[in-house]
Amino acid sequence: AQRVTQPEKLLSVFKGAPVELKCNYSYSGSPELFWYVQYSRQRLQLLLRHISRESIKGFTADLNKGETSFHLKKPFAQEEDSAMYYCALKGGATNKLIFGTGTLLAVQP
Amino acid sequence: GAVVSQHPSWVICKSGTSVKIECRSLDFQATTMFWYRQFPKQSLMLMATSNEGSKATYEQGVEKDKFLINHASLTLSTLTVTSAHPEDSSFYICSASPGGRGEQFFGPGTRLTVL
Repeated sequence: AQRVTQPEKLLSVFKGAPVELKCNYSYSGSPELFWYVQYSRQRLQLLLRHISRESIKGFTADLNKGETSFHLKKPFAQEEDSAMYYCALKGGATNKLIFGTGTLLAVQP
Repeated sequence: GAVVSQHPSWVICKSGTSVKIECRSLDFQATTMFWYRQFPKQSLMLMATSNEGSKATYEQGVEKDKFLINHASLTLSTLTVTSAHPEDSSFYICSASPGGRGEQFFGPGTRLTVL
């Protein structure tokens, strides 16, 4: 079964500290993995996808097929990074997204 | 970037009534639209996938007769919650994709409260 697990509901760090938001997935084939972000009172938006291998707003994520993980990292957190982060998986022939339960990142000043 | 709107942004209705929520892609043609439901402090749960001009595909456990989806044009999909009950109160979010395995662009959501 397709599943995305985000073990942390809340991650609180101080400004300037490193951040790692964990995401593990379960999928038998070759999935596409995404990170979405939802800032306060805003809509969900794509942050990055594994196939692009890009860094957005200082965030990176590497797909580790051996560990079935796609953790989101940023070396120095900023207060404006505070938001809800969702890991999502797309697999098979459809364009459906399976979302994790989300992690609320709170960056303290 | 691609913009998706939803209307209304919030609605309060009495139990037993029907509510229609619109999802529009404003600057692109959306071959596929998705409808999600989000309970407080929980993740987005896909309800159905809607392809323009064809019947929607519902996820397991979602009642198709209760949640009627219409995708009559490439820029508009509607979700009608029929005979709404308090347990239908939730945040409903749509997304739109230009097709294939293209990116999904999300609407701002509609807060439904059934009294």
